[in-house]
Amino acid sequence: QVQLQESGPGLVKPSETLSLTCTVSGGSISSYYWSWIRQPPGKGLEWIGYIYYSGSSNYNPSLKSRVTISVDRSKNQFSLKLSSVTAADTAVYYCARLGSCSGGRCYAYYMDVWGKGTTVTVSS
Amino acid sequence: QLVLTQSPSASASLGASVKLTCTLSSGHSSYAIAWHQQQPEKGPRYLMKVNSDGSHSKGDGIPDRFSGSSSGGERYLTISSLQSEDEADYYCQTWGTGIQVFGGGTKLSVL
Repeated sequence: QVQLQESGPGLVKPSETLSLTCTVSGGSISSYYWSWIRQPPGKGLEWIGYIYYSGSSNYNPSLKSRVTISVDRSKNQFSLKLSSVTAADTAVYYCARLGSCSGGRCYAYYMDVWGKGTTVTVSS
Repeated sequence: QLVLTQSPSASASLGASVKLTCTLSSGHSSYAIAWHQQQPEKGPRYLMKVNSDGSHSKGDGIPDRFSGSSSGGERYLTISSLQSEDEADYYCQTWGTGIQVFGGGTKLSVL
């Protein structure tokens, strides 16, 4: 059974870059799309972006100028970098698999496996 | 613009049934959506995908009490025989070319 685990610093200073990694266990990162989602305190879910195992990516237009998602197939990991952070980036960050596959091909449809999330606070 | 609209809150009694609604924006009534459950202090969990024809496919281990349906641009999640652990936030989610969209979520209280 595929499991996802987020890791990274829990505290980031304003104007610096937030960096998180999601480790995939129990399955291969190949063939699927992988996504980052965040949830500010007391608010709903916000999609950040996703990446295909081959490296192609798409980002939320509202964050696109600050976001980079990358994949490391050798480590079965994918990562998030969010630059120039402010207090508004304080949130629980989740990684997830986009798990819709058919005929040997996978699509960036819905999140079928979620990580437990990691809290990131932006503060000096 | 692809938007999902959900009522902020809903409530129902223990043992009863409840139907949550997710409304697709105009021009997007053919889109499928997914439902996710987030229990207090936990991460989200995938429940099911609901297609425009009302067919649905559930995630592993999701009880039969959970079902999905559709009508026009509305997608529904029905939970029957409500249990205390069903008290949670429920989010609908959909996708387009290069984008993913979440609804604002519905907070379900089990009375």
